[in-house]
Amino acid sequence: NAGVMQNPRHLVRRRGQEARLRCSPVKGHSHVYWYRQLPEEGLKFMVYLQKENIIDESGMPKERFSAEFPKEGPSILRIQQVVRGDSAAYFCASSPNPSSYNSPLHFGNGTRLTVT
Amino acid sequence: DAKTTQPNSMESNEEEPVHLPCNHSTISGTDYIHWYRQLPSQGPEYVIHGLTSNVNNRMASLAIAEDRKSSTLILHRATLRDAAVYYCILRDVAGKSTFGDGTTLTVKP
Repeated sequence: NAGVMQNPRHLVRRRGQEARLRCSPVKGHSHVYWYRQLPEEGLKFMVYLQKENIIDESGMPKERFSAEFPKEGPSILRIQQVVRGDSAAYFCASSPNPSSYNSPLHFGNGTRLTVT
Repeated sequence: DAKTTQPNSMESNEEEPVHLPCNHSTISGTDYIHWYRQLPSQGPEYVIHGLTSNVNNRMASLAIAEDRKSSTLILHRATLRDAAVYYCILRDVAGKSTFGDGTTLTVKP
């Protein structure tokens, strides 16, 4: 399966712990996007990254959240000191080329984070 | 970001055509119109996209208004497997894509 791979599928954390969500894009894709989806709601943009660069993080909370997409390895969305309000499904998408707005987004099946 | 508006929900009968509308009155000249759908507990799935001309693929057709301020996703024969939330989004030159709340399509047998 050459699609976007996200792991883990389900993650349970206690309040105050750290959550690390991983996303491996489609092979050859250099653009990664992270979205958050609360129950019964649509997807909210968080951050857009290219290899080693954050292009747009306007949707990501300023505190406790960070994202990276290193030269080698998956993209990581990191949430420090999680709170109950962070409970949501987090989706990663990738696209292939510099003219990314003309390319479909390929989504993974998400990581469902539950904070207890 | 240019926004899209869609009806919250629509119903269709199985094997009948479905027309899902989307308004995007603030679209800019270089924004592409994309459609995705999401089944429960899954990530969104690409359906179709276009810029100005109508588009067809194996899943659906996309009809784009001449002024580009609206578009319609057409499923020619709805099946039960087409029941999903359908999102119409605009992708700009910066690559960022903003999703709305989508249209929940119910298909009745």
